Amino acid sequence: DGGITQSPKYLFRKEGQNVTLSCEQNLNHDAMYWYRQDPGQGLRLIYYSQIVNDFQKGDIAEGYSVSREKKESFPLTVTSAQKNPTAFYLCATRERYEQYFGPGTRLTVT
Amino acid sequence: AQSVTQLDSHVSVSEGTPVLLRCNYSSSYSPSLFWYVQHPNKGLQLLLKYTSAATLVKGINGFEAEFKKSETSFHLTKPSAHMSDAAEYFCVVSDIPGGYQKVTFGTGTKLQVIP
Repeated sequence: DGGITQSPKYLFRKEGQNVTLSCEQNLNHDAMYWYRQDPGQGLRLIYYSQIVNDFQKGDIAEGYSVSREKKESFPLTVTSAQKNPTAFYLCATRERYEQYFGPGTRLTVT
Repeated sequence: AQSVTQLDSHVSVSEGTPVLLRCNYSSSYSPSLFWYVQHPNKGLQLLLKYTSAATLVKGINGFEAEFKKSETSFHLTKPSAHMSDAAEYFCVVSDIPGGYQKVTFGTGTKLQVIP
């Protein structure tokens, strides 16, 4: 899992509540990514950030928001507009061609 | 266009026998290719990577993969499976059209190792 911390490991929320997932890195990498993982679908890109104060939507950004105020931090907010938020969320950084992944947060919304 | 196809969603082998996990890709550029492994409820760990150097790439835990441009394949192999190899494996293609890295993950292959 390298120098990437995701907390908490498991998160439970009621439907209709916003929830923020934490991602912190000490690898000094500029680029950071959020992925969602569902069984049988591989990883799908939610948002990415190439540099501080800049971020771009990925393939499935609807219902999610991010911020990148510091190089070390890239929090993801899952809003009540996300129709199927229950999933495993992975944060990653990139150096050149290689991505480094955090341990993930499993979010369950009931 | 960029895509990755992992040809088997599940592979089952006996302990001590060879492992073959198949991956085909397409890319309009000169891609980098990766294999990652994921154990349950964990993040992804890099097994090996191809970035336009040697076509036969050796990785951790005895895994290796061969980049075959003519076949657009990057299959993952290991001569002898261990119980600890049971996990899900992802093939990944990456290129940089227009200066921004695009990364596409395969849908994963679950490897079962039978004692």
